[in-house]
Amino acid sequence: DQQVKQNSPSLSVQEGRISILNCDYTNSMFDYFLWYKKYPAEGPTFLISISSIKDKNEDGRFTVFLNKSAKHLSLHIVPSQPGDSAVYFCAASYGGNTDKLIFGTGTRLQVFP
Amino acid sequence: DGGITQSPKYLFRKEGQNVTLSCEQNLNHDAMYWYRQDPGQGLRLIYYSQIVNDFQKGDIAEGYSVSREKKESFPLTVTSAQKNPTAFYLCASSAPPGNTGELFFGEGSRLTVL
Repeated sequence: DQQVKQNSPSLSVQEGRISILNCDYTNSMFDYFLWYKKYPAEGPTFLISISSIKDKNEDGRFTVFLNKSAKHLSLHIVPSQPGDSAVYFCAASYGGNTDKLIFGTGTRLQVFP
Repeated sequence: DGGITQSPKYLFRKEGQNVTLSCEQNLNHDAMYWYRQDPGQGLRLIYYSQIVNDFQKGDIAEGYSVSREKKESFPLTVTSAQKNPTAFYLCASSAPPGNTGELFFGEGSRLTVL
């Protein structure tokens, strides 16, 4: 059973526009959510995170929104740049346990000129 | 520079052979992890270690073994018992307790079984 779901395997956005990547989760125990970015043949790198006590966290061009009632989070990238083209994984954990980190299947974002 | 080094980057193995993937970190992190990535799937946890000389099975530990004799090193052995070993393997580490989930990943090792 997939506890963290990214239902869109791919997304294509024009440079300068907004990219919105979505993630749904089923386990109400999750209290911390993260987004990772991964380029081909490289390991993922941490992008941004949000605690369940917040509904928004912003870092430069990246903003993560959390809707606990809907068990849904989204990553907004604005403006999108070609260098943002990568696979984005959302992940969730509870109790601050990194050994309980559950990853989604990823969304491949392509930003075209 | 501090980071995680995985080797080899690419590895080919014949069926029935064991193979060991290396993971070294100089971040002084206590916890280390091995994940597996398959196409269209998220990262799945194989094994993790929170401290030297101790490790725990993750969600897909069957057919794998690990050791943690040194803080810096967490090698993964893919044994002949692993039914579908062809995959991209990622090693990661995290800071001491209190860290809320930020993992630092290596560049990965791609294993292909011929």
